[in-house]
Amino acid sequence: GDSVTQMEGPVTLSEEAFLTINCTYTATGYPSLFWYVQYPGEGLQLLLKATKADDKGSNKGFEATYRKETTSFHLEKGSVQVSDSAVYFCALSDLNSSNTGKLIFGQGTTLQVKP
Amino acid sequence: DVKVTQSSRYLVKRTGEKVFLECVQDMDHENMFWYRQDPGLGLRLIYFSYDVKMKEKGDIPEGYSVSREKKERFSLILESASTNQTSMYLCATTTDRDRNHNEQFFGPGTRLTVL
Repeated sequence: GDSVTQMEGPVTLSEEAFLTINCTYTATGYPSLFWYVQYPGEGLQLLLKATKADDKGSNKGFEATYRKETTSFHLEKGSVQVSDSAVYFCALSDLNSSNTGKLIFGQGTTLQVKP
Repeated sequence: DVKVTQSSRYLVKRTGEKVFLECVQDMDHENMFWYRQDPGLGLRLIYFSYDVKMKEKGDIPEGYSVSREKKERFSLILESASTNQTSMYLCATTTDRDRNHNEQFFGPGTRLTVL
């Protein structure tokens, strides 16, 4: 079945460092891809999304490009801040479920940014 | 802004108790979801619903049931709580249009501990 694999965490960076969180997927068809972020003590919120190959999603300085040839959707940010410390989830839409809106999530990657 | 609220942020129950987790949304979304979040496992779908009185099993429905008597409210029920149901429970909603490309909006979560 479809699945999402994220790099294991935790990832610890100093402020202003470059961030990459790897995400690869297996899927039939052409799913949409998402990055969600969960700040401490909160629910998930959408960070960015891409709905077709070569699309780039971006928000708050974060970017990710839908790469069908490598089945990847890596999250990047040029300069992280302490406030970016959170858990990041990669997800894809489950097209095998006939337009149900179901999402398949990766296991999450914890990012800690130190001053 | 979509608002998704959950009845409790923290809950402690005893083994064998019947537990109700409530989720309410104020944006007239048709689709509602219940997930559980566990470290290293990401989010796993328990149940979802497309309409009032309608429900479908997700990936891990065993030990759970749901109720959707009104469009804005989706309840998760643990008929007889067990310690392996200690987890973070997250409710989410999305609109009916183009389900596979829409973001899901999450509540803040309920951290349930079963003793």
